[in-house]
Amino acid sequence: DAGVIQSPRHEVTEMGQEVTLRCKPISGHDYLFWYRQTMMRGLELLIYFNNNVPIDDSGMPEDRFSAKMPNASFSTLKIQPSEPRDSAVYFCASRFGGTGVPSATQYFGPGTRLTVL
Amino acid sequence: RKEVEQDPGPFNVPEGATVAFNCTYSNSASQSFFWYRQDCRKEPKLLMSVYSSGNEDGRFTAQLNRASQYISLLIRDSKLSDSATYLCVLRGYQKVTFGTGTKLQVIP
Repeated sequence: DAGVIQSPRHEVTEMGQEVTLRCKPISGHDYLFWYRQTMMRGLELLIYFNNNVPIDDSGMPEDRFSAKMPNASFSTLKIQPSEPRDSAVYFCASRFGGTGVPSATQYFGPGTRLTVL
Repeated sequence: RKEVEQDPGPFNVPEGATVAFNCTYSNSASQSFFWYRQDCRKEPKLLMSVYSSGNEDGRFTAQLNRASQYISLLIRDSKLSDSATYLCVLRGYQKVTFGTGTKLQVIP
């Protein structure tokens, strides 16, 4: 089975540009998470969805960040306008909310390495 | 106080050594605990869950001490392939929190 798919894998852009990161969760998973990872702050949860509905977006740094999940197989994280301090690795993760597996077993995508110049 | 605290390391240990990491947490309502492993420039992957009674998976032993609010990971007979960053993870109600990780470097 395919794991979580993220695109692009690498993105280099200039300050002020719009950036859109994409994620396809594992089929059948009903939770989807967006994380940001930097050396200084580690892995930070930005937002997560359950059944395509945003549940907690308290980690979204500011209004420049927005996330959508129009259907169960696709989510986007958009940064507009981007700033150099947004440079980080952005991970998407998904999991199944049922029983039978450790309920925090999240499956991570390979990440998008974003560099904002 | 941070919700989850880990010694960032790095822990440099020779092959074959035993090494242990601790992770302390501040929220006593945390329900479940896990160790994830992250290789350089890769995504985090679940290593093992942590149960109250302690649990083993081969060379890895995880323990939970609710009274003192910490979890631990013990690695016996370290291999070069164990070199990675180890993240502790807590799950509370509707929330999962990752530690910033402890870096392990196993040296030949």
